[in-house]
Amino acid sequence: GENVGLHLPTLSVQEGDNSIINCAYSNSASDYFIWYKQESGKGPQFIIDIRSNMDKRQGQRVTVLLNKTVKHLSLQIAATQPGDSAVYFCAENTATDSWGKLQFGAGTQVVVTP
Amino acid sequence: EPEVTQTPSHQVTQMGQEVILRCVPISNHLYFYWYRQILGQKVEFLVSFYNNEISEKSEIFDDQFSVERPDGSNFTLKIRSTKLEDSAMYFCASSQTWTSGGAGAYNEQFFGPGTRLTVL
Repeated sequence: GENVGLHLPTLSVQEGDNSIINCAYSNSASDYFIWYKQESGKGPQFIIDIRSNMDKRQGQRVTVLLNKTVKHLSLQIAATQPGDSAVYFCAENTATDSWGKLQFGAGTQVVVTP
Repeated sequence: EPEVTQTPSHQVTQMGQEVILRCVPISNHLYFYWYRQILGQKVEFLVSFYNNEISEKSEIFDDQFSVERPDGSNFTLKIRSTKLEDSAMYFCASSQTWTSGGAGAYNEQFFGPGTRLTVL
């Protein structure tokens, strides 16, 4: 079936460096985007979200950038720490036809090395 | 900090058996969701639930699946006759509200730790 045996792209980052995780979305009607972090054996944890009427939003140590022209979303993590090691998913929502339905991307494995 | 809880953490069942996965959403949340994640794959939406009825469901959520809020605190997912391909991690989530095109705290979906369902 689709995505059987999905191999996650991996981003290896040295502790203290900045990380940039990228996500391409396909639905041009999507207007709400979220980044989730998933540690091994746990459920997805909300990091930050952004509406389509914005192109940048900042949180604590994280920044999300949205480029609607090329349908691209990125998550920047400043001063990456060992606790940031996890799988990061982008998720999108289309407000016009959904009740909270989130469509998740494939995920990126972030490995922080000392 | 309030959190979504799920029981059991791991459920093993025989093919064809019925299973009920249980969730306790955050107490002041009004919107509830089930997602699943097959091992090594992406998280997939199953169903959203509001005001005691299904708001939206995916193609995966066929007649074998049902959801219920039997009381003021629990939210359950029932699979009537499990198949091998139902083996996955099932996540419950809840949000305080859901505003179209919205962003911020009220829309945030809080996920539970998941129930690993293994169908033999």
